[in-house]
Amino acid sequence: QVQLVQSGTEVKKPGASVRISCKASGYTFTTYTIHWLRQAPGQRVEWMGWIHSGNGETKYSQKYQDRIIITRDTSARTVYVDLNLLRSEDTAIYYCARSISSYFEYWGQGTLVTVSS
Amino acid sequence: QSVLTQPPSVSGAPGQRVTISCTGSSSNIGAGYSVHWYQQLPGTVPKLLIYGDTKRPSGVPDRFSASRSDTSAFLAITGLQTEDEADYYCQSYDTSLSGFYVFGSGTKVTVL
Repeated sequence: QVQLVQSGTEVKKPGASVRISCKASGYTFTTYTIHWLRQAPGQRVEWMGWIHSGNGETKYSQKYQDRIIITRDTSARTVYVDLNLLRSEDTAIYYCARSISSYFEYWGQGTLVTVSS
Repeated sequence: QSVLTQPPSVSGAPGQRVTISCTGSSSNIGAGYSVHWYQQLPGTVPKLLIYGDTKRPSGVPDRFSASRSDTSAFLAITGLQTEDEADYYCQSYDTSLSGFYVFGSGTKVTVL
């Protein structure tokens, strides 16, 4: 079965960077696009960007494009998101999700990132 | 500001029908892009509930149905059950500067 397993909770100081991983299993990794989304406490889900796991093409939300990099390691079946220059407003649960067409079919379990001095 | 606007909350007694609206614009729903719906139970990951405007993934009860009209979409829950108490989000594709994939503001369904 399709599974996306994310790395664990992170606590960072303002100005720091964070890297979250998303390991995929149960399907042909290079066929699908993986997205990163986030949900701040009590807020709606927000899309951040995607990577095609096969050719490595990326697309980012304009809101994050200056601070985000999404990469993948096909041999490890893992996708990464790096978010730089963290601020308190970046405190959120971060999700990876596999898309088909324009919707998100499978989600990782979420990674809590807390940004606090 | 939310690109897709939903009512903050709706409520109903067990067995009743409730409807959640999702109002967009000409750059998303009005442009013909599909609308999808997710259910988020307290403390859990969003779960795909409806895709492609009206389709239910395997395992989703037929109590959940959806429709769309012009720049809006609607999720209906008939025969409301206590386990339906959750947050519900609509999602579509958008061609404005808001970001390609946009979510609604979310609606909390409370079963009275």
